Amino acid sequence: SYVLTQPPSVSVAPGNTASITCGGDNIGIKNVHWYQQKPGQAPVLVIRFNSDRPSGIPDRFSGSNSGNTATLTISRVEAGDEADYYCQVWVFGSWVFGGGTKLTVL
Amino acid sequence: EVQLEESGGGLVQPGGSLRLSCAVSGFTFSSYAMSWVRQAPGKGLEWVSAITGSGGNTYYADSVKGRFTISRDNPKNTLYLLMNSLRAEDTALYYCAKGSDGYGYSWFDPWGQGALVTVSS
Repeated sequence: SYVLTQPPSVSVAPGNTASITCGGDNIGIKNVHWYQQKPGQAPVLVIRFNSDRPSGIPDRFSGSNSGNTATLTISRVEAGDEADYYCQVWVFGSWVFGGGTKLTVL
Repeated sequence: EVQLEESGGGLVQPGGSLRLSCAVSGFTFSSYAMSWVRQAPGKGLEWVSAITGSGGNTYYADSVKGRFTISRDNPKNTLYLLMNSLRAEDTALYYCAKGSDGYGYSWFDPWGQGALVTVSS
């Protein structure tokens, strides 16, 4: 089965840039989607198709995907960005999530 | 506004059964695939099952295959998950989520608030 690997945690100071990676075998040829989940809330889609932002998502959120790594980048990080972030792909009849990354805003 | 509301969660003994429902509004239900995704306490997201908009194709994670059945009633705008032979490791918050199109071979948006299933004696 296909495995997505994320770092358990990432820390960043307010105003700086956070990068959250998602590793997978040749993930660059797949479409990667990213979700934000705040405590006690349902996940929210923040990036679809590697780099496309759904309506209502700030342009501080961006994504890229190449080779064996996809990356979610959050620019000018705010306290409200503190959350768990999950990557996700579809692989021939199965939807796979990464283990999640807890973003801490220092 | 798209809305998804899960119901039917609760406490069940190991080996028991439970049926979750997800009532939706705000979009043409039959045009979109739907999925169930679960989250065990303090853990990450795990995709459980999916069904195409027509209901003609269903998909299951290996962890639930043969025990869970996904279905939908398009005239009633409702998604279901019948869970049999429940195990302690099935304890989780179960979310229903709307797929990107009729086949749903991509992302989930939006998600419901979840239904808690606890399997314990």
